[in-house]
Amino acid sequence: DVQLVESGGGLIQPGGSLRLSCAASGFSFRSYEMNWVRQAPGKGLEWVSHISSSSDTTYYADSVTGRFTISRDNAKNSLYLQLNSLRAEDTAIYYCVRQMGSWYEAYFDYWGQGTLVTVSS
Amino acid sequence: SYELTQPPSVSVSPGQAARITCSGDELPKKYAYWYQQKSGQAPVLVIYEDTKRPSGIPERFSGSILGTMATLTIADVQVEDEADYYCFSTESTGDHKKVFGGGTKLTVL
Repeated sequence: DVQLVESGGGLIQPGGSLRLSCAASGFSFRSYEMNWVRQAPGKGLEWVSHISSSSDTTYYADSVTGRFTISRDNAKNSLYLQLNSLRAEDTAIYYCVRQMGSWYEAYFDYWGQGTLVTVSS
Repeated sequence: SYELTQPPSVSVSPGQAARITCSGDELPKKYAYWYQQKSGQAPVLVIYEDTKRPSGIPERFSGSILGTMATLTIADVQVEDEADYYCFSTESTGDHKKVFGGGTKLTVL
């Protein structure tokens, strides 16, 4: 079975940094493009970032461009999200999601259970 | 930036049909997808490529598209269908970034 398990969330002060990890299993991780999606408490879903299977292409939502960095290690079946210069509005559950299809017409078929990031002083 | 517009809430009685709409200017050019999110859980894909149903999703879930409006229809609504529903699509230009609608809370009275 496909499994995506996020970790690394927690309470962090504004301006701080955090690194989220996602451990993937049950499928050929190196063959799939991956993404992060977040959800602020009581709010809707927001796509955050994408990375291609070989890491040669990345995309970011305007709200996080220049502050967040997505990466992956195919040898370790792991996806990462480096969060810098954190703001209160970055407080959310961060989901690791597997992408189906090419980037130009992609959707997300499997989601992890998420890791909560709380930005507060 | 591209937006997908959904009604905030829809209410139906068990056994009735529920229809949730999603409006977006680029839906004639890009597929619509629908996700169901029950309280405290991760989202689950219920419709892909406008009208297709993933394996394991009950047949009472269906999708349709007409111009700039996608619709998720749940026939014979069950109590367990109470959830938030999100439409999803792609910008047709630029970096083809992904967009979610604001979500619709389906209440089964």
